[in-house]
Amino acid sequence: DVKVTQSSRYLVKRTGEKVFLECVQDMDHENMFWYRQDPGLGLRLIYFSYDVKMKEKGDIPEGYSVSREKKERFSLILESASTNQTSMYLCASMRGYGYTFGSGTRLTVV
Amino acid sequence: DQQVKQNSPSLSVQEGRISILNCDYTNSMFDYFLWYKKYPAEGPTFLISISSIKDKNEDGRFTVFLNKSAKHLSLHIVPSQPGDSAVYFCAASAIGNQFYFGTGTSLTVIP
Repeated sequence: DVKVTQSSRYLVKRTGEKVFLECVQDMDHENMFWYRQDPGLGLRLIYFSYDVKMKEKGDIPEGYSVSREKKERFSLILESASTNQTSMYLCASMRGYGYTFGSGTRLTVV
Repeated sequence: DQQVKQNSPSLSVQEGRISILNCDYTNSMFDYFLWYKKYPAEGPTFLISISSIKDKNEDGRFTVFLNKSAKHLSLHIVPSQPGDSAVYFCAASAIGNQFYFGTGTSLTVIP
């Protein structure tokens, strides 16, 4: 069964901390994505990557960066966490049509 | 600018009745559409898809209709069951590109 695994289901971090959200997929997919989901705003794309070491900004990249050193792993980095980054973060991978999502990470910044 | 819109944030339906969830899009280049279902504290899971060469796709209780001229798609669930209570997202893509998601519709099926 294909899988996208996000390392943490729940995280609580302090304002100003550097935060790493990890995502691993076992499907050998080229494309990987980071979204955040907020009530009333749906899923908004933060960053995506279509190959190792390649990255593209999505709709809301400010305050975030990403790393893709290996095909199976796509990391989202909050350089200095702020309370407005409290959200559900979803990782997805894709080949061709259709995403497979991870279970999500609920991040709370206090 | 929201390219995919779900104008109804919530919907309540009696068990056994039909649920109709709507989605509108603005980009005429979109040629593939998905519906995802999401339970709280879980990632979205794929439900059903339709490509622009079709106007209907059916999978069990779920049917998606596409009206390209109106740039509108809808998801029909018949009969609705309490386990269908979730947030439903529609998504659209032009070939090879990212998917754009709507804001979601929270469906509650009342037993």
